Amino acid sequence: EVQLLESGGGLVQPGGSLRLSCAASGFTFSNYAMSWVRQAPGKGLDWVSVIFGSGGNTLYTDSVKGRFTISRDNSKNTLYLQMSSLRGEDTAVYYCAKGLGTIAVLDSWGQGTPVTVSS
Amino acid sequence: QSVLTQPPSVSAAPGQKVTISCSGSSSNIGNNYVSWYQHLPGTAPKLLIYDNNKRPSGISDRFSGSKSGTSATLDITGLQTGDEGDYYCGTWDSSLTAVIFGGGTKLTVL
Repeated sequence: EVQLLESGGGLVQPGGSLRLSCAASGFTFSNYAMSWVRQAPGKGLDWVSVIFGSGGNTLYTDSVKGRFTISRDNSKNTLYLQMSSLRGEDTAVYYCAKGLGTIAVLDSWGQGTPVTVSS
Repeated sequence: QSVLTQPPSVSAAPGQKVTISCSGSSSNIGNNYVSWYQHLPGTAPKLLIYDNNKRPSGISDRFSGSKSGTSATLDITGLQTGDEGDYYCGTWDSSLTAVIFGGGTKLTVL
């Protein structure tokens, strides 16, 4: 059974940094692209970033380019999201999700970790 | 404002059928596969439909999807109270080089 467990969320001041982690199990982690998707309070799903299985290729939504960095450690079956220069609009629950063959289909999701950016 | 347009809400009685629409453009739905996700309160989002009309293992055949041109639809038959929640369409946008979601549709089973 695929399991994804996010951690690292919390309260951070504007301009601050935070690193999210997602521990994966139940599948061959290195074979699949992994994404981060967020949901702001009262809003819909918002894709943030994807990293391909090898870790060599990454993509980001425009609003986080230059501020967020996605990475993975295939030896530890763990996905990361390093977030810096955080803004109020980054406040959301952050989910990690596994790709199903293609990066645009997310077939397993974690329970999410909340991030609040506020002074 | 989302690139993909969904109705904010739909409702129907238990046992009935509901259709949720998702409208896009040639840079997304028109030339890429569509997925549908269910997000029930307090749970992780779940993949219901992928590649326009395929169901992952374990997903009830009460859920079905289709695509025509730059629009897609999700049909849910035999509605149950446990189906209440938010439903999102998703796809790849070739112009944005990004995964995109619709704004979500809240399903109420009356």
